[in-house]
Amino acid sequence: DTAVSQTPKYLVTQMGNDKSIKCEQNLGHDTMYWYKQDSKKFLKIMFSYNNKELIINETVPNRFSPKSPDKAHLNLHINSLELGDSAVYFCASSHSRESKNEKLFFGSGTQLSVL
Amino acid sequence: AQKITQTQPGMFVQEKEAVTLDCTYDTSDQSYGLFWYKQPSSGEMIFLIYQGSYDEQNATEGRYSLNFQKARKSANLVISASQLGDSAMYFCAMREGRGGNNRKLIWGLGTSLAVNP
Repeated sequence: DTAVSQTPKYLVTQMGNDKSIKCEQNLGHDTMYWYKQDSKKFLKIMFSYNNKELIINETVPNRFSPKSPDKAHLNLHINSLELGDSAVYFCASSHSRESKNEKLFFGSGTQLSVL
Repeated sequence: AQKITQTQPGMFVQEKEAVTLDCTYDTSDQSYGLFWYKQPSSGEMIFLIYQGSYDEQNATEGRYSLNFQKARKSANLVISASQLGDSAMYFCAMREGRGGNNRKLIWGLGTSLAVNP
């Protein structure tokens, strides 16, 4: 059983389109995250939710909107896609946000290519 | 200033040899945690090892060990007996002990390791 699963794995789309990436975790974790990894492999946190509540919202264009219907799901919707949005997007989860030793469990990533 | 520094963009090692990947960090906290993750070419991020700032022993997980030198603020990853499957990007990350809701992981830029047969 996949612990953190995100779909789709690959997403190729035209500029200006709206797209969504879905994420689900079956680990019973309270906290979920979205990360963006650019072409230089730098990982940057975008959002974090704890029990459906937004707790981290980095400086991300408001074209990006996360939605957490329940604590096992965290979806990412992107409006009006731009070329610079091309990257790998990772969903992750952790048991809680309280401890400094909380490790993250990652999904396999979604390679987004905007043409 | 960067909080996590990985000075080796790329490293080569011969199969079966040991390799050390460097990581230095910057924090004024006394309580923090250090992590290493592996990202193979398939793209997934795999947790390898964790070291807490108050842990007296260096962390070990199988062939992975963490050479933790607190005074130097370094947390180098040592991979013993390298295997071809160890070829991957390796990321060092830190979570500081304070920060409340904003206690996020801070990532280094990664080191690309290639294991030669």
